Amino acid sequence: DQQVKQNSPSLSVQEGRISILNCDYTNSMFDYFLWYKKYPAEGPTFLISISSIKDKNEDGRFTVFLNKSAKHLSLHIVPSQPGDSAVYFCAGRTGANNLFFGTGTRLTVIP
Amino acid sequence: DAGITQSPRYKITETGRQVTLMCHQTWSHSYMFWYRQDLGHGLRLIYYSAAADITDKGEVPDGYVVSRSKTENFPLTLESATRSQTSVYFCASRRPDRGTNTEAFFGQGTRLTVV
Repeated sequence: DQQVKQNSPSLSVQEGRISILNCDYTNSMFDYFLWYKKYPAEGPTFLISISSIKDKNEDGRFTVFLNKSAKHLSLHIVPSQPGDSAVYFCAGRTGANNLFFGTGTRLTVIP
Repeated sequence: DAGITQSPRYKITETGRQVTLMCHQTWSHSYMFWYRQDLGHGLRLIYYSAAADITDKGEVPDGYVVSRSKTENFPLTLESATRSQTSVYFCASRRPDRGTNTEAFFGQGTRLTVV
């Protein structure tokens, strides 16, 4: 039973344009949502997070939006750069101990 | 080197054999985790540890054993490997939660193939 879903396995975007990665969740008990980025043959690295009591968090080119009523969050990358090409995982956190990950979206930024 | 390291990076083993994956972190983070990554499932938590000598099961613990005698090490043992345990395994660590979000830091992963 997947508590966090990323329904788009892949996304291609032109360099300089906006990338929007989407994530849906079912567990209302998540207190934080996190985005991780993963390059091949490396571990995931933390990108940005948002508390469940917020609706937006911004860090440079990365912004995460949370719509609790729709149980939906999205990651916006503006402008997209070729170095952003990676697999992006959305995760929901319950308390201190567990992150529930989505299946990932592979982003390709075309130069 | 500072950080979190996993060994080996790649391992091939036979069905029924015992295999141990190692994880070492230099930050003295109290929390450590083991995840497996499989196509179509994302990353799933196998076991976690809140401190030395404190461990607990995650989503998919069956067939795995962990121990944590020292804060910096968190080995994962497959007691009798099965083909369904072929996966990429990630170890992670993070500081204790003090009311603000603290992200987990991941190792580079161990690709395990059970033949």
